[in-house]
Amino acid sequence: GQNIDQPTEMTATEGAIVQINCTYQTSGFNGLFWYQQHAGEAPTFLSYNVLDGLEEKGRFSSFLSRSKGYSYLLLKELQMKDSASYLCASMDSNYQLIWGAGTKLIIKP
Amino acid sequence: IAGITQAPTSQILAAGRRMTLRCTQDMRHNAMYWYRQDLGLGLRLIHYSNTAGTTGKGEVPDGYSVSRANTDDFPLTLASAVPSQTSVYFCASSGGGSPSGANVLTFGAGSRLTVL
Repeated sequence: GQNIDQPTEMTATEGAIVQINCTYQTSGFNGLFWYQQHAGEAPTFLSYNVLDGLEEKGRFSSFLSRSKGYSYLLLKELQMKDSASYLCASMDSNYQLIWGAGTKLIIKP
Repeated sequence: IAGITQAPTSQILAAGRRMTLRCTQDMRHNAMYWYRQDLGLGLRLIHYSNTAGTTGKGEVPDGYSVSRANTDDFPLTLASAVPSQTSVYFCASSGGGSPSGANVLTFGAGSRLTVL
């Protein structure tokens, strides 16, 4: 079957670094997406990985290991505005997305 | 402003009533999608359309129907609403089927539906 797992909730301190993990089992894997969703708002695209390795975009980086079915989102220099849910989604052989339930990130001063 | 417009923003309706959620995009994206989002669950695909004139069923299509008469509009209809359809509904669009970034979804602001 197809499955995505990510932690339900994480807490971190402003200015620190946090890593949000995601494991997946997807038929005909075609890439891994991360989206950010603030409470009461729409998800917005953060990153896409299809090859193994780290993709860096400013304070946010995303890593993929296809052989391990594993990805993480790394957030550096945390700001209060980073408090949000982070959604992991894998794309299957039909280019459809399978979504995780999201990780709620709480940033404390 | 380019993007996706959904209406209504929120709605309360009685069980058994018919309801249509509207979705319009102005980005000329070929593909459009309807998802529902429930607490503790990932986004679940209801229906999708790869191009105007075609539609397909997603993971949870029962009780819902869609149409795609043109590129811009993709309404979702609940023929006879039931309480289990209480959810937040997101419409989304994407520019194409290529895996190299073209499947990035742009979401509307969502429609919060409560069925009593």
